Amino acid sequence: GAGVSQSPSNKVTEKGKDVELRCDPISGHTALYWYRQSLGQGLEFLIYFQGNSAPDKSGLPSDRFSAERTGGSVSTLTIQRTQQEDSAVYLCASSSNLQGRSIQYFGAGTRLSVL
Amino acid sequence: GNSVTQMEGPVTLSEEAFLTINCTYTATGYPSLFWYVQYPGEGLQLLLKATKADDKGSNKGFEATYRKETTSFHLEKGSVQVSDSAVYFCALYVLTGGGNKLTFGTGTQLKVEL
Repeated sequence: GAGVSQSPSNKVTEKGKDVELRCDPISGHTALYWYRQSLGQGLEFLIYFQGNSAPDKSGLPSDRFSAERTGGSVSTLTIQRTQQEDSAVYLCASSSNLQGRSIQYFGAGTRLSVL
Repeated sequence: GNSVTQMEGPVTLSEEAFLTINCTYTATGYPSLFWYVQYPGEGLQLLLKATKADDKGSNKGFEATYRKETTSFHLEKGSVQVSDSAVYFCALYVLTGGGNKLTFGTGTQLKVEL
């Protein structure tokens, strides 16, 4: 079916506001990943979901960041009390299975700008 | 931990020139290796992959060979085109029980001019 879909494509917010970023993975993909792409840090892993559970949250930079996934499908990344250093492109990827050499397919990303 | 080092850009080439983008890695275990490409305004796309030593990944004229002895996965293309202008990322993952998160290099911007 369709590829990984992310919304919004661009988000401008004021410092201190909360934001929600959405990822709609490829239908049937059980694994879902969030990454962040920023000028100073390159591409960094944030969190991994298998189904609705998140066995690896090791990349979340602070407790202002959280994510959930419902119905084994859509995921939402929430950033509370945004800071200017949160400005980045947030990428979502999905893959078909856990074992084996599965390929991750990426969405176009959400560009977050915190003023 | 795992890490990927790739040559810094930007790299500027004339059309039909030969391209090499170097990538070396450090990993615990046996990684799978990838090259992803990001065209302007678009998301990451898988360009090619290799899952074990001596494997050669290839796609769209690009090639990379998994060299375990030198821990390298250099990207090559014999004749680049203007349409190849993009940012190229080398990446790896190591199979674990908790998911296959990718570790990326910093990316190399390629600009191809007429």
